[in-house]
Amino acid sequence: DVKVTQSSRYLVKRTGEKVFLECVQDMDHENMFWYRQDPGLGLRLIYFSYDVKMKEKGDIPEGYSVSREKKERFSLILESASTNQTSMYLCASSEQFVEKLFFGSGTQLSVL
Amino acid sequence: QQQVKQSPQSLIVQKGGISIINCAYENTAFDYFPWYQQFPGKGPALLIAIRPDVSEKKEGRFTISFNKSAKQFSLHIMDSQPGDSATYFCAAGYSTLTFGKGTMLLVSP
Repeated sequence: DVKVTQSSRYLVKRTGEKVFLECVQDMDHENMFWYRQDPGLGLRLIYFSYDVKMKEKGDIPEGYSVSREKKERFSLILESASTNQTSMYLCASSEQFVEKLFFGSGTQLSVL
Repeated sequence: QQQVKQSPQSLIVQKGGISIINCAYENTAFDYFPWYQQFPGKGPALLIAIRPDVSEKKEGRFTISFNKSAKQFSLHIMDSQPGDSATYFCAAGYSTLTFGKGTMLLVSP
């Protein structure tokens, strides 16, 4: 079974903290994505990567950065967490760029 | 930012009925149109997808209808079942996907 694993299901952080969200895929996929999901707003693309050490900004990259040092691992970094970054964060991977994204179960981040 | 507009926001259908969710897009360069299904506590999962060279695609009880000239596509769920109760997202793109805001479907027994 294909798997995208996100390190934490729930996370509570304080304003100003540096936050790392980790994602690992076991499918040898080239492409990995970070989305955030908010009620009434759907899924919005934060960053994506099509190769190791490569990254591209999505639609809402402000306040975020990413790291991809190994093919299977894609990390989302909140440099200084703010309350408006409270959200569900979804990681995904795919073999062909837009086709068949496999999503993890998400990390619900609360910034207090 | 490219938009994909999805309606309705929520939908209640009787068991055995037809559920219809509609989406409209703006960018004519989009060439891939998937629908994702999401259950509570889970990530979205691909349900069915279509490319613009066909007007309809059917997989079991799920059908995508695609109207290229109107830049619209829709998901039809025939014989809707309580187990279909979930949130459905349409999406469109060519290099990355832009998602609609989602439709919460409730199928009443």
